Amino acid sequence: NAGVTQTPKFRILKIGQSMTLQCTQDMNHNYMYWYRQDPGMGLKLIYYSVGAGITDKGEVPNGYNVSRSTTEDFPLRLELAAPSQTSVYFCASRSLAGAIETQYFGPGTRLLVL
Amino acid sequence: DQQVKQNSPSLSVQEGRISILNCDYTNSMFDYFLWYKKYPAEGPTFLISISSIKDKNEDGRFTVFLNKSAKHLSLHIVPSQPGDSAVYFCAANAGNMLTFGGGTRLMVKP
Repeated sequence: NAGVTQTPKFRILKIGQSMTLQCTQDMNHNYMYWYRQDPGMGLKLIYYSVGAGITDKGEVPNGYNVSRSTTEDFPLRLELAAPSQTSVYFCASRSLAGAIETQYFGPGTRLLVL
Repeated sequence: DQQVKQNSPSLSVQEGRISILNCDYTNSMFDYFLWYKKYPAEGPTFLISISSIKDKNEDGRFTVFLNKSAKHLSLHIVPSQPGDSAVYFCAANAGNMLTFGGGTRLMVKP
């Protein structure tokens, strides 16, 4: 019963480095989301996808890219890491027919950019 | 411009008493409201929700109240238990996208 899994759990990046945050769900959900949570702040939507091959920007997309080649995977790419991207990143998924309450979150990836 | 605000960053309550967490919003297009609970090193988990056409929803010890005219909702936990200690986020839905408040850290003391 894996649900939504994210890797890595924690990563330290140097300014200008790139990395990919991985997200996989095994519930055959159509919707997938990437959020970031800064200290004392709520979750802000970075990108989302309504199905394989379809992605769209959320509230804070600058500095990130996503792809959705399969239903299961929704990786988030940081090309040139900046200190402002230090945050905790959460991936979530939801079925097309499911109510909004059925949005399940992964455990998060803590990213530190120095 | 925060569309969903939780003005109390933290709340401390004695075990057995009532916990009241508050949330204000500005966007009239929000049609559904949710509360999430988050423990450290875990993702948020859904707790309770309410549609904009209702003013109250109850689930066991948890009750959510919605005042549309005031654009305000609150979560009541009665009685509070030490296991309720967590960060609580309110979230509002519009067009299948959620907007989150900043969270309130609830500490329930034994």
